[in-house]
Amino acid sequence: EMQLEQSGGGLIQPGGSLRLSCVASGFSISSDYMSWVRQAPGRGLEWIAVMYSGGSTLYADSVKGRFTISRDNSKRALYLQMDSLRAEDTAVYYCARDHREYNYKTDYYSYYGMDVWGQGTTVIVSS
Amino acid sequence: QSALTQPPSVSGSLGQSVTISCTGTSSDLANNNRVSWYQQSPGTAPKLLIYEVTNRPSGVPDRFSGSKSANSASLTISGLQAEDDADYYCSLFTSANTWVFGGGTKLTVL
Repeated sequence: EMQLEQSGGGLIQPGGSLRLSCVASGFSISSDYMSWVRQAPGRGLEWIAVMYSGGSTLYADSVKGRFTISRDNSKRALYLQMDSLRAEDTAVYYCARDHREYNYKTDYYSYYGMDVWGQGTTVIVSS
Repeated sequence: QSALTQPPSVSGSLGQSVTISCTGTSSDLANNNRVSWYQQSPGTAPKLLIYEVTNRPSGVPDRFSGSKSANSASLTISGLQAEDDADYYCSLFTSANTWVFGGGTKLTVL
């Protein structure tokens, strides 16, 4: 069974840093795309970052330059380093397998959606 | 950046059908089949219901179906059950290689 186990949330002051972790079981994060999605209190979902299987990264404008996504294949772990935190970063953060597959014959990506999610971890930015 | 608009709330009685719409701001949905739908019950992580407009992952009941017409996608839930009472989100993979989510729709099962 494919699972993601998250850790690392908490209460942090504005301007501070925090690192979230997401450990995979049942699949390899190095072979898949992995995204982070957050949800502010009472609000909807917001995609914030992705790490490609090849190691490239892409960020939403709201976190670009402040957040960094990385992984440790040996630990099957995905990370989100969050720096210069702001009150508006307060949210539940989810990691998710962003399932895409490339067909070399057709030169086409199929997008299977975010099909495995972590349980979420809460980040509260407040003084 | 694309934006997706969903109705804030919909409701339906047990056994009935409901449809939740997801409308794009321009032609982004019309030219893009990379639409997914998610269900989120209170206090839990989202669950994938539909990918690429119409496809259901293994384990998702066929009561859930997706469709698209012009610049609007839809999720239809037939034979409403009490456990369908949840929030539903559409999402689109954009030309910028990012995901954008709709604002979410609260489904109340009466």
